[in-house]
Amino acid sequence: AQSVTQPDIHITVSEGASLELRCNYSYGATPYLFWYVQSPGQGLQLLLKYFSGDTLVQGIKGFEAEFKRSQSSFNLRKPSVHWSDAAEYFCAVGDDSGGGADGLTFGKGTHLIIQP
Amino acid sequence: DAGVTQSPTHLIKTRGQQVTLRCSPKSGHDTVSWYQQALGQGPQFIFQYYEEEERQRGNFPDRFSGHQFPNYSSELNVNALLLGDSALYLCASSLLAGGQFFGPGTRLTVL
Repeated sequence: AQSVTQPDIHITVSEGASLELRCNYSYGATPYLFWYVQSPGQGLQLLLKYFSGDTLVQGIKGFEAEFKRSQSSFNLRKPSVHWSDAAEYFCAVGDDSGGGADGLTFGKGTHLIIQP
Repeated sequence: DAGVTQSPTHLIKTRGQQVTLRCSPKSGHDTVSWYQQALGQGPQFIFQYYEEEERQRGNFPDRFSGHQFPNYSSELNVNALLLGDSALYLCASSLLAGGQFFGPGTRLTVL
């Protein structure tokens, strides 16, 4: 069964500093990988996705993520965070048989706090 | 272009009751998935509907059922509500290989 681990429950970063959120997955084949962001009381917004090809993917809001098969990781990065980036971030993995449309398995999330 | 919409926004029920939640997918999307998100947790996949049939199901009991209509909208039904069913219920729509787009969710409280 597939699984996703987000090792950091909370991360605090100063505004303007760089950010890296960790995600490790367990999956037997080539995974479809996603990062979502959730603001309090809101639904999830898709930041970026990896299906195949270039292992460095660009997303919205200045985020990027790198797929590393050897480490089973898909870490999310941003060079300079803004106070509006404070939110809950979820990594998710999907089965490739459905082209990324199958039910996703989510991690437990990382709560990002931005210090002024 | 409207995104995924869900109704109602909030709902309060008592144990043993039944509830129906509704979802309209993003324009052009034909697949709808439902997720349960308990407080402080990541979403958990309930099931997915495509062409009006349940295509895939997560590890949820039969008390959770659904339906998809010809216009691709969907309903989630939960029977015999338990306190543990209190959660945010998220609907997501998609096309194959396009990633899933989520609605704002329905907050269900079971008393």
